[in-house]
Amino acid sequence: ILNVEQSPQSLHVQEGDSTNFTCSFPSSNFYALHWYRWETAKSPEALFVMTLNGDEKKKGRISATLNTKEGYSYLYIKGSQPEDSATYLCASLGGSQGNLIFGKGTKLSVKP
Amino acid sequence: DSGVTQTPKHLITATGQRVTLRCSPRSGDLSVYWYQQSLDQGLQFLIQYYNGEERAKGNILERFSAQQFPDLHSELNLSSLELGDSALYFCASSVAYRGTGNTIYFGEGSWLTVV
Repeated sequence: ILNVEQSPQSLHVQEGDSTNFTCSFPSSNFYALHWYRWETAKSPEALFVMTLNGDEKKKGRISATLNTKEGYSYLYIKGSQPEDSATYLCASLGGSQGNLIFGKGTKLSVKP
Repeated sequence: DSGVTQTPKHLITATGQRVTLRCSPRSGDLSVYWYQQSLDQGLQFLIQYYNGEERAKGNILERFSAQQFPDLHSELNLSSLELGDSALYFCASSVAYRGTGNTIYFGEGSWLTVV
């Protein structure tokens, strides 16, 4: 059974703060790690798909790193803005099936 | 806009009833996934279809079934509904079966309320 854990569960920061969240996943039988940004009443928006150990990806002020040997990924947001407020989900693709196993997400609130 | 279309967006129905949720994947995507988001739960994988065939099954109840049609759209049928089936149901699609390096795109979801 694949278990994906995210921490913290929620986070409140001030505009301009930089922040990061953690996603941990079983390192055995790893295939890919996906990050999504989800605002209420919208579809989860794909941020990154990461497959290689040591991978680092960047999209604007958001970046992510991947350590497949120890089973974790970090998502960083530099200079948080109120529009970054959302739930950030990570999901691991592993095993013989082609589906993603999701963590419960980190809910970020950025105060102006 | 992810390109994945789900209908209806909201649905209220009574216990014991049956509903059908519909999903049109992104153009060119052959793989369709269904997920359930309940209160305090993460996204739970239900079932995956690839080019019309069932490829993976998750925590899908026997009262639920799905299919993918030749035009690649998919339907999730929920029957003998119970209060606990109230949830947000997501459809997602991707080009490939495994989606190892491929992005999986999500629709906006269908909110089901069972009363």
